[in-house]
Amino acid sequence: AQSVAQPEDQVNVAEGNPLTVKCTYSVSGNPYLFWYVQYPNRGLQFLLKYITGDNLVKGSYGFEAEFNKSQTSFHLKKPSALVSDSALYFCAVRDGSSYKLIFGSGTRLLVRP
Amino acid sequence: NAGVTQTPKFRVLKTGQSMTLLCAQDMNHEYMYWYRQDPGMGLRLIHYSVGEGTTAKGEVPDGYNVSRLKKQNFLLGLESAAPSQTSVYFCASSTGTGSSEQYFGPGTRLTVT
Repeated sequence: AQSVAQPEDQVNVAEGNPLTVKCTYSVSGNPYLFWYVQYPNRGLQFLLKYITGDNLVKGSYGFEAEFNKSQTSFHLKKPSALVSDSALYFCAVRDGSSYKLIFGSGTRLLVRP
Repeated sequence: NAGVTQTPKFRVLKTGQSMTLLCAQDMNHEYMYWYRQDPGMGLRLIHYSVGEGTTAKGEVPDGYNVSRLKKQNFLLGLESAAPSQTSVYFCASSTGTGSSEQYFGPGTRLTVT
């Protein structure tokens, strides 16, 4: 069965500091991994995805994510956080050709000035 | 190009009332999805459709029905609303499964009293 875990309900970071939002996953086949961001009262916006190849994936708004197969992780990172990055972040996984996209419970990122 | 739109944005129902949520997409996507979002639980798939005239059950289908009479529209119906259906509902669409990301609408906040 597919599953996704986001172990932190909230991450706090100061503006200008690097940020990491953690995600681990479990799938039976090759994973497709995604990060989405949700701003207050808005729908989810796609940030980036891992399909295959380079383990470091770059996405929108300066975010990147590192795929680690041995640790079954796909952590979201950004070298220098902005206050405007404060939002709810969701990791999601899909197994191969499955229709089903499984979402984690979400991590709230709070960037303080 | 409006992407994915949802109507209404907000609705309050009394227990036992019925309503229909409308989702429309203008990206010619084959796949469409209905999710509900509850605090601390991420997004859970209610129903989905792999093409015009087809629908299928997701993780939490009970109490909901769907129809996809036109490719661009996906309707979610609540025949007899219950307080447990108080949630934020998101529609999404995608070109397919596998590595394709989903595009989300802005959501409908439903309260059942």
